[in-house]
Amino acid sequence: EPEVTQTPSHQVTQMGQEVILRCVPISNHLYFYWYRQILGQKVEFLVSFYNNEISEKSEIFDDQFSVERPDGSNFTLKIRSTKLEDSAMYFCASSGDRGGNQPQHFGDGTRLSIL
Amino acid sequence: EDKVVQSPLSLVVHEGDTVTLNCSYEVTNFRSLLWYKQEKKAPTFLFMLTSSGIEKKSGRLSSILDKKELFSILNITATQTGDSAVYLCAVGVYRAQKLVFGQGTRLTINP
Repeated sequence: EPEVTQTPSHQVTQMGQEVILRCVPISNHLYFYWYRQILGQKVEFLVSFYNNEISEKSEIFDDQFSVERPDGSNFTLKIRSTKLEDSAMYFCASSGDRGGNQPQHFGDGTRLSIL
Repeated sequence: EDKVVQSPLSLVVHEGDTVTLNCSYEVTNFRSLLWYKQEKKAPTFLFMLTSSGIEKKSGRLSSILDKKELFSILNITATQTGDSAVYLCAVGVYRAQKLVFGQGTRLTINP
């Protein structure tokens, strides 16, 4: 069964450094998402992306964050200058439509630890 | 503010028991309700519900939605230790490109 893949599985970074989290969505999907889950808390929406532009973003997704689809398969989340509070599990998801007729499928996540 | 609340937060039962997990929601422009199972890593998709009263079933798992009372339940019959996981309820909101998640229910099945 096709799946969303994320790399790396764990990233440890010094505060203030830039990180790039990578995702390969399911191949025929067109809608891509990033979520995060701080330890012990709910999964929170960050951003959705379609047709090479952001469709919607949450209040969490401030100027420190950016997303990109650099080629036909990868979807990346960049955090420019990491803070301690960015430590979380980051999940990428993809879906075949935007209307909610198809579910979002999630990757295994990248655990980001900021020191 | 859109809100999804799950109960109980934690549940411990014996293998073979039947469990019911609850999810209530308050969102503007409801589109769909989804259930996911989260073990160590990715939330894996279980069900998507869009219409009231139609039960979705997969093996020992079933789910139903009540759009009038704004809740859904997930039933698991004849539980097995492999059912131990966190079960997440999420609501898709019309037009918005996002899922709003509940806190999850941590289900532990003891042999």
